[in-house]
Amino acid sequence: AQSVAQPEDQVNVAEGNPLTVKCTYSVSGNPYLFWYVQYPNRGLQFLLKYITGDNLVKGSYGFEAEFNKSQTSFHLKKPSALVSDSALYFCAVRAGNNRKLIWGLGTSLAVNP
Amino acid sequence: GAVVSQHPSRVICKSGTSVKIECRSLDFQATTMFWYRQFPKQSLMLMATSNEGSKATYEQGVEKDKFLINHASLTLSTLTVTSAHPEDSSFYICSARDTPVPYEQYFGPGTRLTVT
Repeated sequence: AQSVAQPEDQVNVAEGNPLTVKCTYSVSGNPYLFWYVQYPNRGLQFLLKYITGDNLVKGSYGFEAEFNKSQTSFHLKKPSALVSDSALYFCAVRAGNNRKLIWGLGTSLAVNP
Repeated sequence: GAVVSQHPSRVICKSGTSVKIECRSLDFQATTMFWYRQFPKQSLMLMATSNEGSKATYEQGVEKDKFLINHASLTLSTLTVTSAHPEDSSFYICSARDTPVPYEQYFGPGTRLTVT
């Protein structure tokens, strides 16, 4: 069965420090991977995606993610965290031509001043 | 970028009444729209997928007679919660896509439904 795991419910990081939000996946076929961010009582905003090509994907707000096929991971990273990055982050995967996104449970990121 | 709007952003209704939530794609034609439900501190639960002009495809466990979805045009989809009960209180989010897989979906800001 297809699945996405975000092993950390919460990540805490000091402002200015690098941050990583982890995501691993299990799909049959080529994965299409996505990161979304959700601010309180808001919908989701697209951050970045991996479809094919370069394993390092750069997205919005200075975020990037690296696709690692051997480890089936797609961790979200940012070199220097901002307090305004505090939000809920969701990883999602779609396999092949499947129309449905499979969602992780989300990771709450708290960036402390 | 592509923008999806939802209306209302927040609604309170009495138990037994029906409420309609609208989802619009403002600057693109949404060939496919999705309706999600989100409980506090939980992930998104896909309720149904609809293609313009076709009947919605509901996920297992979602009552199609309770959650009526209409995707009558390429820019508008509606979700009607019929005979609402307090357990229907939730955050409902719509999403739209203008191209076939594998491209990203665009999300609306969500509607907070409270049934009293």
